[in-house]
Amino acid sequence: DADVTQTPRNRITKTGKRIMLECSQTKGHDRMYWYRQDPGLGLQLIYYSFDVKDINKGEISDGYSVSRQAQAKFSLSLESAIPNQTALYFCATSDHLRGVPNTGELFFGEGSRLTVL
Amino acid sequence: AQKITQTQPGMFVQEKEAVTLDCTYDTSDPSYGLFWYKQPSSGEMIFLIYQGSYDQQNATEGRYSLNFQKARKSANLVISASQLGDSAMYFCAMREGKGDNAGKSTFGDGTTLTVKP
Repeated sequence: DADVTQTPRNRITKTGKRIMLECSQTKGHDRMYWYRQDPGLGLQLIYYSFDVKDINKGEISDGYSVSRQAQAKFSLSLESAIPNQTALYFCATSDHLRGVPNTGELFFGEGSRLTVL
Repeated sequence: AQKITQTQPGMFVQEKEAVTLDCTYDTSDPSYGLFWYKQPSSGEMIFLIYQGSYDQQNATEGRYSLNFQKARKSANLVISASQLGDSAMYFCAMREGKGDNAGKSTFGDGTTLTVKP
């Protein structure tokens, strides 16, 4: 089983619909992230959470909201989807930088491909 | 703000030859980490290699090595003995180590590598 699981993997929806993408992890990491990837481009940070009570906006948070329901769960919502939110969405986790030599490497889910018509 | 630049949108290499993918970065943080990730056509993100800003030696992982030139703020990925399975998109990313941005990673736009038989 994958350490970082995203559901759904693929979703087609219509403009104006509310969509939730869910992410769960078994790595025991404190930090979770949502990234968006547009075709042929890099990843842009939408929201991130460094623990259950911590939520932070990333570069492109407008039109999105998140919920950190537990250490292992971090969901992304599109309140009213629009076509330019069509993209590949990645959830990722990383271990906390506690001063020991850990790298902060991101562990990614398999991605959720969202199409907004 | 941190920034990652990958100037090669696409690269071609002959099978069994070496290839260098360029990455330059900009940060005012003395503590940071540099990563390369691979994204095959299937879409998942695969961690390849990590270099810490205080590491004295260039990182190596099998056929991957990172040519770290700190004064020039470059972190080029070298793939030796290219294989057909290396055909993919490659992303350079940087994680800042301190302050409000600690733990967040910023990505470049990627380089698409095609390995020719």
